[in-house]
Amino acid sequence: GESVGLHLPTLSVQEGDNSIINCAYSNSASDYFIWYKQESGKGPQFIIDIRSNMDKRQGQRVTVLLNKTVKHLSLQIAATQPGDSAVYFCAENGDQAGTALIFGKGTTLSVSS
Amino acid sequence: DSGVTQTPKHLITATGQRVTLRCSPRSGDLSVYWYQQSLDQGLQFLIQYYNGEERAKGNILERFSAQQFPDLHSELNLSSLELGDSALYFCASSPWGSNEQFFGPGTRLTVL
Repeated sequence: GESVGLHLPTLSVQEGDNSIINCAYSNSASDYFIWYKQESGKGPQFIIDIRSNMDKRQGQRVTVLLNKTVKHLSLQIAATQPGDSAVYFCAENGDQAGTALIFGKGTTLSVSS
Repeated sequence: DSGVTQTPKHLITATGQRVTLRCSPRSGDLSVYWYQQSLDQGLQFLIQYYNGEERAKGNILERFSAQQFPDLHSELNLSSLELGDSALYFCASSPWGSNEQFFGPGTRLTVL
């Protein structure tokens, strides 16, 4: 079936490095994509989103890139900090009724000092 | 703090039992979503309500049901519980016309 997935289950970086977390999606009908951060014991927290009419969107220390040609989404975190350690999920809205999101399995980012 | 509240935070029960999870959305949000997160799994969409009415269904078992009340809070009812129902259950809400969802802290259900 169609799903959103992430290329790597884990990513380890040093404090201060830039992190790139990748996600592949397969539903061509999706026109909204979102990245969430989930810390241990907490609910997912919004990081940044992007609509399909955009290729790039920047936030504070984060950038989301969307490549519709290859159905690829990435999250870039600049100057990664220990507080960025968490599980990161990408999600898409798919073509389903309502506005529910389809989530990938997540990438665990570990930042060492 | 997202503004979405969920109770209880933890729930331990036995197989065959029935439980009710409660969610209060952010003030003004009309849409409520329920998701299940099992170990090693991402979030699986269960069901969505909008202003009291069911809007969309995902991978929700027939043993599970939900409703949204006039004050917009929602309840997820899980019955005939099985060991495999042990998971985190998240509620999220979103304002009208927005895809962005705000998640609550979740309820951790353990079925023994």
